Amino acid sequence: EPEVTQTPSHQVTQMGQEVILHCVPISNHLYFYWYRQILGQKVEFLVSFYNNEISEKSEIFDDQFSVERPDGSNFTLKIRSTKLEDSAMYFCASRLQGEETQYFGPGTRLLVL
Amino acid sequence: AQSVTQLGSHVSVSEGALVLLRCNYSSSVPPYLFWYVQYPNQGLQLLLKYTTGATLVKGINGFEAEFKKSETSFHLTKPSAHMSDAAEYFCAVTRSGGYNKLIFGAGTRLAVHP
Repeated sequence: EPEVTQTPSHQVTQMGQEVILHCVPISNHLYFYWYRQILGQKVEFLVSFYNNEISEKSEIFDDQFSVERPDGSNFTLKIRSTKLEDSAMYFCASRLQGEETQYFGPGTRLLVL
Repeated sequence: AQSVTQLGSHVSVSEGALVLLRCNYSSSVPPYLFWYVQYPNQGLQLLLKYTTGATLVKGINGFEAEFKKSETSFHLTKPSAHMSDAAEYFCAVTRSGGYNKLIFGAGTRLAVHP
């Protein structure tokens, strides 16, 4: 069964460094999402992406964040200058057009020191 | 705006007992409702969903949920808990059309003891 994959599974970085989180959505899906879950808190929406542009973003998704679909398969989340409070589990999700179910990847746990 | 409230951050049941995890939502438009499960160190897996039609929906692993519009609820149940059901459960809401961001509840951690 097709699934969303994410790499790396864990990333440790120093405050102020740039990180790129990688996702490979399910191949025929057209809508892509990033969510994050700070330890002990709820899963929060960051951004949605469709037709090679951001369709919606939350107030968390400030200028330090960007997303890109560099080729036909990858979907990346970049944090330009990480802060301590960016430490979280980041989930990628994708869905088919006309279908409401989002399929989630296993997540990348980011730790900013 | 949409929101989700899950009553009870932790629920503990005995193996074989009824599981009831509560979810109430707020939505100004007809909602689509989901339950996801997260096992330790894993991603979110869809358990079941309600979009339209039958208000009692069945999902994987023997779980079911009933959409009650009058109560704005979508509680998750399972008649008989199994040890393998121990996980965190998230209720989520979205709406039809648009780009369908999911709004999650805070989650309920289910513990199952022998």
